[in-house]
Amino acid sequence: QQQVKQSPQSLIVQKGGISIINCAYENTAFDYFPWYQQFPGKGPALLIAIRPDVSEKKEGRFTISFNKSAKQFSLHIMDSQPGDSATYFCAASRKGGTASKLTFGTGTRLQVTL
Amino acid sequence: DSGVTQTPKHLITATGQRVTLRCSPRSGDLSVYWYQQSLDQGLQFLIQYYNGEERAKGNILERFSAQQFPDLHSELNLSSLELGDSALYFCASSVGSISGNTIYFGEGSWLTVV
Repeated sequence: QQQVKQSPQSLIVQKGGISIINCAYENTAFDYFPWYQQFPGKGPALLIAIRPDVSEKKEGRFTISFNKSAKQFSLHIMDSQPGDSATYFCAASRKGGTASKLTFGTGTRLQVTL
Repeated sequence: DSGVTQTPKHLITATGQRVTLRCSPRSGDLSVYWYQQSLDQGLQFLIQYYNGEERAKGNILERFSAQQFPDLHSELNLSSLELGDSALYFCASSVGSISGNTIYFGEGSWLTVV
């Protein structure tokens, strides 16, 4: 069962364009939604994260938009650069309990062309 | 550099064999997570330990086992290896076991089963 659904699977954007990656979740117990960036041969690294009490969070060129009622969140990369070419994963974790594991989406391979 | 250290970086072994992957978490982190990444399955959560105790279990096969030692390092043991076990295995760590704790990933151990 895929608890976090991510789309698209791959994305090609021109330099300077906007990259948009979408995720949807089912479990209303999720309360933390990070995005991870992974370069080839490297481990995933936290890019930006949001809690459901805010609808948007911006850090530099990266913005998370969150729609609690629709159970969707998205990553926007403004002014995309070739150095942004990587695989992006959305994730979620549940509030409460004694575990804090992340459930990941299937990933989006982003290629930014010149 | 995330501060999470994994060894070995690459490992080639034959079917039926047993291997041990080792992880040293970031200094001060009490939680350790193991994830499996394959091309068709994305990042799959295997197991989480917090200060030596198992906190969450994912889709970890019975042939696989893990433990976290008093010095907080962790080992993932994979036995009776099959071709399908070939994957990138990530260890990650966080300071606690609460949703929202930033989870840092190591660079992974590439396992190839031949």
